[in-house]
This record gives sequence, structure tokens and C-alpha cells, in this order.
Amino acid sequence: AQKITQTQPGMFVQEKEAVTLDCTYDTSDQSYGLFWYKQPSSGEMIFLIYQGSYDEQNATEGRYSLNFQKARKSANLVISASQLGDSAMYFCAMSRGYSTLTFGKGTMLLVSP
Amino acid sequence: EPEVTQTPSHQVTQMGQEVILRCVPISNHLYFYWYRQILGQKVEFLVSFYNNEISEKSEIFDDQFSVERPDGSNFTLKIRSTKLEDSAMYFCASSAGTVSPGELFFGEGSRLTVL
Repeated sequence: AQKITQTQPGMFVQEKEAVTLDCTYDTSDQSYGLFWYKQPSSGEMIFLIYQGSYDEQNATEGRYSLNFQKARKSANLVISASQLGDSAMYFCAMSRGYSTLTFGKGTMLLVSP
Repeated sequence: EPEVTQTPSHQVTQMGQEVILRCVPISNHLYFYWYRQILGQKVEFLVSFYNNEISEKSEIFDDQFSVERPDGSNFTLKIRSTKLEDSAMYFCASSAGTVSPGELFFGEGSRLTVL
């Protein structure tokens, strides 16, 4: 069985600063994917970034980067230069191949001016 | 940019009534999913659908739930007799399952309120 743990229920950051959202996972699968989604107050789920278990380079998408440490089973999301619009709930998730996603409980990020 | 669309955005129903939530996945995607999120909780997998049949379902997806792809574009979730605990946001998602396996594109969700 797969398990995702997000230990930070809430995080505060000032505008323009970087912030790291923690995610650890547990799986016995050799091949898996790790994802981060953003959920603003409007409710939709917005895909941010993906890391495959065999990818050697950390994934980056604009201001988002995924700090993948396979031995430690962690997949932390780093948001550089935070913006007010980054305030949202952030979910870490993992997949098995083409299969389903297992989500963590989420971290609420609040960006202050 | 192609997107997953869901209707209705919000539905209020009485306990015991049947509800159908509709989704139009991205046109060239092959894998379809329903997830739900009870208010304030994490997103939970309900069911996946591929090649016109259910490929996987969770323990939440009991006999009260069914899915269907009635034509080439729509993907529906039916709840036969709603319960109070079915109140949640229901997300449809689709994936091509090719370039980035498991990369899901979510719709904006359908909020179901059971009274």
C-alpha cells in the first residue's frame, strides 16, 4: 500500500521569499510518480509538477521545483519568490504507473504582503 | 488549452435521491477517474475506467456507485440513493497515460450537498 505524509498543516511565508512544503512517502513499488497539486479556495485541483521515480534530475516548472530524495523517500515542493496568489492548499500525491493517485492531507500555505 | 469539464458545479439533493455527475474528459485521453474530497479532508480515489470498463475501484465505491461512458465524450458518476455522508466535492480526471504516466488533469469539481 502507498502512503503520503504531509506533516505541516499550515505554513506562512512572506511575499518574495522561498518556501518548502514537506512530503514523505512510503511504497514498496519500484516505479511510481510523485505529484504536487494546488487547490485554491475556489476548489479546483491544479497540477503543478511531476517527478518519476527513475528521474535522476529534480523536476522544475517555473517557480516550482521538487526536491526528490529517493533514499529518504521525500518529495518536497519548493516555491521560489512566493506571490500572494500562491496562497492555497497544496497536496502531495503519488501514483503507481498508469494507476491511481494517493493523496496526502495537504498543507495550507498563506503568503503575506 | 484542453481541459476536463464537469457539470453541475453544485447540486443539492435530498437523502435517498439519485444523482448523476457528468464529466467531459480531454478528448484524446484514455484513462478516466473519479475522486472525491469531503470538506476539509484529503482527496480520495473512487474509481478508474479504461477501455470501457472499471480498471480499479476503492472500498468507497460500493454498490451505490456506478460509472458509465454513454458516448464518445461523456463520463458519468451515478449515486443511486444518496446518503448524508456522500456530501463532498467530486472531481473527474483524465490522463493520456503515455508521456507522464499517471499525470492527471482534473476538472473543477462538482460539489454535492445531501440534505
